Amino acid sequence: DPKIIQKPKYLVAVTGSEKILICEQYLGHNAMYWYRQSAKKPLEFMFSYSYQKLMDNQTASSRFQPQSSKKNHLDLQITALKPDDSATYFCASSRPGQANSDYTFGSGTRLLVI
Amino acid sequence: AQKVTQTQTSISVMEKTTVTMDCVYETQDSSYFLFWYKQTASGEIVFLIRQDSYKKENATVGHYSLNFQKPKSSIGLIITATQIEDSAVYFCAMREGDTNAYKVIFGKGTHLHVLP
Repeated sequence: DPKIIQKPKYLVAVTGSEKILICEQYLGHNAMYWYRQSAKKPLEFMFSYSYQKLMDNQTASSRFQPQSSKKNHLDLQITALKPDDSATYFCASSRPGQANSDYTFGSGTRLLVI
Repeated sequence: AQKVTQTQTSISVMEKTTVTMDCVYETQDSSYFLFWYKQTASGEIVFLIRQDSYKKENATVGHYSLNFQKPKSSIGLIITATQIEDSAVYFCAMREGDTNAYKVIFGKGTHLHVLP
């Protein structure tokens, strides 16, 4: 069974619309992350959360908003979508407070903005 | 600012041989952690092996091992007895350990092709 569930797997959106990418992890981790992968910038860090608090934000645009409703959830809301937002978005988790803790990645949500 | 550089875009090797993938990093921290991940053709990303900066011994896990050269800020991944299923993109990554930062920075990846 997948330890990190990302939904949907594929998503097609119209320019200007809003979408929410879902991430749930069942590893008991309290640190969660979002990364974006595109041909232009492979595996680019976006956000990190620890115990549902934002720790680091490397996303310049406020159109990207993470949402943590439960400790094992970290969704990503994207508003005013642009074609440049087309990418695969990966959620990951790790044990917090341990800098040597490796990530477990979800299978990704492939977003295409037309 | 931390940086991870993988200069090899693509490598092709024959099955059952040994391959080394290069990675150099930049950091101002005295304590940091280096990771290698593998991304398969399906897109799945899995953790392979880790090197803690304060450890002198090179990490080894199965047929993966690391060549950690701290003075050169280098962490090479060595795969021995390569198999067809080792064909994938390999990412080098780093996390700095002296701060509360949780961010892991990835290199651009090296695409390994293992040929029969």
